[in-house]
Amino acid sequence: DAGITQSPRYKITETGRQVTLMCHQTWSHSYMFWYRQDLGHGLRLIYYSAAADITDKGEVPDGYVVSRSKTENFPLTLESATRSQTSVYFCASSENRGETQYFGPGTRLLVL
Amino acid sequence: QKEVEQDPGPLSVPEGAIVSLNCTYSNSAFQYFMWYRQYSRKGPELLMYTYSSGNKEDGRFTAQVDKSSKYISLFIRDSQPSDSATYLCAMSPYNTDKLIFGTGTRLQVFP
Repeated sequence: DAGITQSPRYKITETGRQVTLMCHQTWSHSYMFWYRQDLGHGLRLIYYSAAADITDKGEVPDGYVVSRSKTENFPLTLESATRSQTSVYFCASSENRGETQYFGPGTRLLVL
Repeated sequence: QKEVEQDPGPLSVPEGAIVSLNCTYSNSAFQYFMWYRQYSRKGPELLMYTYSSGNKEDGRFTAQVDKSSKYISLFIRDSQPSDSATYLCAMSPYNTDKLIFGTGTRLQVFP
């Protein structure tokens, strides 16, 4: 199906483990984003990418790593998961800068 | 102070009521304004998009921007239980990469 997909949809891991969340979009949008959503904080931008091989930090980048070797994929890696990274993670994409963003269904991550 | 402020609610209304959801902002450079709807355990979906000031209507939904007051609103007419969701405002200045989101207002429409 066309659109933006995320995997896995649910993940339980332990403190200190490395976790990678996947994001794939079929629109060939230039921009891709990773957010986390927590009660009381709303959506907070972790990292974003303007094009393949171009990434930049958002509001809360510490503890996360991203890469974008292909336009359609934008994986997010937690290098050593901590309990504070328990959250719902959303990937989004947009065609041009500052424009409407389209969101994936989210990944619920629990770090024990 | 956050750049975008939004009352978290919850806002509880009876079916058929007119709902008003609001956001205030501090950055006068914001030019693009959006409203997203997010159902429980789902990703946000775009509801309305407006550029600069004025009103925009789409069915039962009307988005209003008042740049002089730095205030945006989303009105829902004839609200339905299916409108029960969290509504997030989002905005950005011209020529920037990122959107700034409000924290969302939870709306409950009861039959």
